[in-house]
Amino acid sequence: QSVLTQPPSVSAAPGQKVTISCSGSGSSFESHVSWYQHPPGSAPKLLIFESIQRPSGIPNRFSGSKSGTSATLAITGLLAEDEADYYCVTWDSSLRAVLFGGGTKLTVL
Amino acid sequence: EVQLVESGGGLVQPGGSLRLSCAASGFTFGSNWMTWVRQAPGKGLEWVANINFHGSETHYVDSVEGRFIISRDNAKNSLFLQMSSLRVEDTAVYYCARLMVRWPPTAFDYWGQGNLVTVSS
Repeated sequence: QSVLTQPPSVSAAPGQKVTISCSGSGSSFESHVSWYQHPPGSAPKLLIFESIQRPSGIPNRFSGSKSGTSATLAITGLLAEDEADYYCVTWDSSLRAVLFGGGTKLTVL
Repeated sequence: EVQLVESGGGLVQPGGSLRLSCAASGFTFGSNWMTWVRQAPGKGLEWVANINFHGSETHYVDSVEGRFIISRDNAKNSLFLQMSSLRVEDTAVYYCARLMVRWPPTAFDYWGQGNLVTVSS
């Protein structure tokens, strides 16, 4: 069974940098990773696709990386508006299914 | 401007059925895979189903396989999720989303506002 594991929560002060990890198992990390920001009461927003690419309109404060069976989302210059839940997502080629990580709650202190 | 507007949610009894719709505008609907994602109360996001451009290929999370059917009508720019044999644990906000033309099919670049489905007696 493929699983994506994220830390339940992270926190940092405004202006600081935070990283959110996403580790995979099974056949879940053969594919690229996407990252989503989900503020309370709003629709999710795509931040990163193909592990490192940013859609247009996403500031370069957000960056993604992937190595082996883990991926990382980094957010620099933290703003209060960055407070949200963050999810990593990948494709399990064996299950032919999309996998979401459990989500990480970012608190901007 | 790309817009996705869900409808059809509401309260249904366990074992009942419900059909969600997602009206798309602002892009060539038949050029993108589409997906449904849900969030149960107090839980994280969970992928439900994907459908390819013409509806000939679909994928489901195990927990809904055989109970839910994703479909689309490209002539009407609409995406659907037919939900049957509903369970209490299907209670969630359901989002439709558009997939970027990329592989793997995990880059959901536009989302609807979400539609609440409550399964309760």
